[in-house]
Amino acid sequence: SQKIEQNSEALNIQEGKTATLTCNYTNYSPAYLQWYRQDPGRGPVFLLLIRENEKEKRKERLKVTFDTTLKQSLFHITASQPADSATYLCALASGGSYIPTFGRGTSLIVHP
Amino acid sequence: DGGITQSPKYLFRKEGQNVTLSCEQNLNHDAMYWYRQDPGQGLRLIYYSQIVNDFQKGDIAEGYSVSREKKESFPLTVTSAQKNPTAFYLCASSTIPGTNYGYTFGSGTRLTVV
Repeated sequence: SQKIEQNSEALNIQEGKTATLTCNYTNYSPAYLQWYRQDPGRGPVFLLLIRENEKEKRKERLKVTFDTTLKQSLFHITASQPADSATYLCALASGGSYIPTFGRGTSLIVHP
Repeated sequence: DGGITQSPKYLFRKEGQNVTLSCEQNLNHDAMYWYRQDPGQGLRLIYYSQIVNDFQKGDIAEGYSVSREKKESFPLTVTSAQKNPTAFYLCASSTIPGTNYGYTFGSGTRLTVV
């Protein structure tokens, strides 16, 4: 069956360090992958989209990589700040419907 | 400002009642979606619509119904057939799926059965 895995344990890091979050998947042929940020009690906010034929995307302090051989995406936040503390969700969409399926998310806590 | 408005923010339902959650967008997006989020769970797709007067079941449509009479509006009814409706409900919209843009989400409705 199709599965999207994000680390259920919270990631704790110090301010100024680079945070790296992982999204692994099985039994998907993804057309694209998205990353979202979700704060408690709020809806997710779209951050980045990367396509199957792209290796890397950047946006300000954010970087996403996509390795379809390893079936993995890495999401990096450089120079992290306490304001980056949130839950980060990855979502995969296969060709056909292009409707993404969401992972459970990983909580990031940045300590001052 | 363009966006998605969900109402109400909190909703309480008695056993056996139907309740309707509102979702309105002014982004001129063609597609709209309803997701359910339970604690520690990913978002699960209930229904989606890519065009007015047409909608498709998602992964967990049983006990829910929707309508799409206007492009801007996609209300969700939680019927009495939904046995475990307590959850956080999120509405989203997008341009045609597969483009470079992600979903825009509303701020959610928290439904509790009392």
